[in-house]
Amino acid sequence: DTGVSQNPRHKITKRGQNVTFRCDPISEHNRLYWYRQTLGQGPEFLTYFQNEAQLEKSRLLSDRFSAERPKGSFSTLEIQRTEQGDSAMYLCASSSLQTDTQYFGPGTRLTVL
Amino acid sequence: AQTVTQSQPEMSVQEAETVTLSCTYDTSESNYYLFWYKQPPSRQMILVIRQEAYKQQNATENRFSVNFQKAAKSFSLKISDSQLGDTAMYFCAFMKHNGNQFYFGTGTSLTVIP
Repeated sequence: DTGVSQNPRHKITKRGQNVTFRCDPISEHNRLYWYRQTLGQGPEFLTYFQNEAQLEKSRLLSDRFSAERPKGSFSTLEIQRTEQGDSAMYLCASSSLQTDTQYFGPGTRLTVL
Repeated sequence: AQTVTQSQPEMSVQEAETVTLSCTYDTSESNYYLFWYKQPPSRQMILVIRQEAYKQQNATENRFSVNFQKAAKSFSLKISDSQLGDTAMYFCAFMKHNGNQFYFGTGTSLTVIP
């Protein structure tokens, strides 16, 4: 399967712990996006990469959130000192420069106890 | 900032009938993209249809079509011959032409009734 993959699919952590999620985009896609989706809501844009450059990060929710895409391929999203309000589905999507259509991964569901 | 509004939180339609989902948006951009995405229960988001703002012709994909009214900033989705597999959450989305920001509406939960 050559779609967008995300790992882990589920993560349960205790408040105050750090968590890291991984996204592997479709191989030829230059653009990579991270979103947060809470129950009953639409995805909320967090950040965007074009190749390895993080071109938009102003909408990361706080300084506890950071993302990287060091070699322009996979990306990681880290949340430090997790809070219960961070519980949500974290979605990754990728697109090519030619189509602008985003293809989504299955998401990582985070539960903070 | 851009906003996307979906005013119908829930809708239902009889199988084989036609249903229209509404979406309005607010932007000062002149060139942008609009999308409808489908999210079935416990499954991942998939693209239904996309529209480029500079194209006047409404996009169509099989049973799915849009009514794009740029001046009114309206982008509705029509589903013809509804099928049980169309039951899902539908999200309207806006993207700036440079692709650096993406905005989703709050979604419409569609149920197709057999």
